[in-house]
Amino acid sequence: GQQVMQIPQYQHVQEGEDFTTYCNSSTTLSNIQWYKQRPGGHPVFLIQLVKSGEVKKQKRLTFQFGEAKKNSSLHITATQTTDVGTYFCAGPLRSGGSNYKLTFGKGTLLTVNP
Amino acid sequence: DTGVSQDPRHKITKRGQNVTFRCDPISEHNRLYWYRQTLGQGPEFLTYFQNEAQLEKSRLLSDRFSAERPKGSFSTLEIQRTEQGDSAMYLCASSDLGNEQFFGPGTRLTVL
Repeated sequence: GQQVMQIPQYQHVQEGEDFTTYCNSSTTLSNIQWYKQRPGGHPVFLIQLVKSGEVKKQKRLTFQFGEAKKNSSLHITATQTTDVGTYFCAGPLRSGGSNYKLTFGKGTLLTVNP
Repeated sequence: DTGVSQDPRHKITKRGQNVTFRCDPISEHNRLYWYRQTLGQGPEFLTYFQNEAQLEKSRLLSDRFSAERPKGSFSTLEIQRTEQGDSAMYLCASSDLGNEQFFGPGTRLTVL
């Protein structure tokens, strides 16, 4: 069925190293959203990308939306211990579904060694 | 705190019992969503309301699950005849006109 896939599943880095997580959809997305979930917490919205090829930055975080609107990436420069958590991408997979029914990937769990 | 709230935060029940969870969205958010999350997985969509109307329901949701949002404000999710496979974190989220969803802290259900 339609799905959103993320790799890697886990990533352990030393503080100061960079980190990237990749998201791929089986179908074209009208938009893609990224959420962060701290251990024991709930998902928190980070950003939404809408346009083909769009790039957005939030301080050390850079988000990209692919030209075909089927893939996305999140890159963190110089990770800090506060970046620890699971990063999820989510998109509305259509085929009769609304724009608000989000399908989440399994997430990438980032751990940072101080 | 004006965020999304959920009650209870934890629920332990025996197999076969009914349970009901409550979600209070951010006031004036007209969309409300229920998700289920198990360990190592992303949130899985269950159902979605716009005001009091339930507009979409996952095919994964069996007829033991029912959700309501009677006055377009708070919502309840009921699970009848619980099974061990229902054990999960049940998350509620709300949104306004935009797509950004604000999640509550969740209700962790354990079915013994």
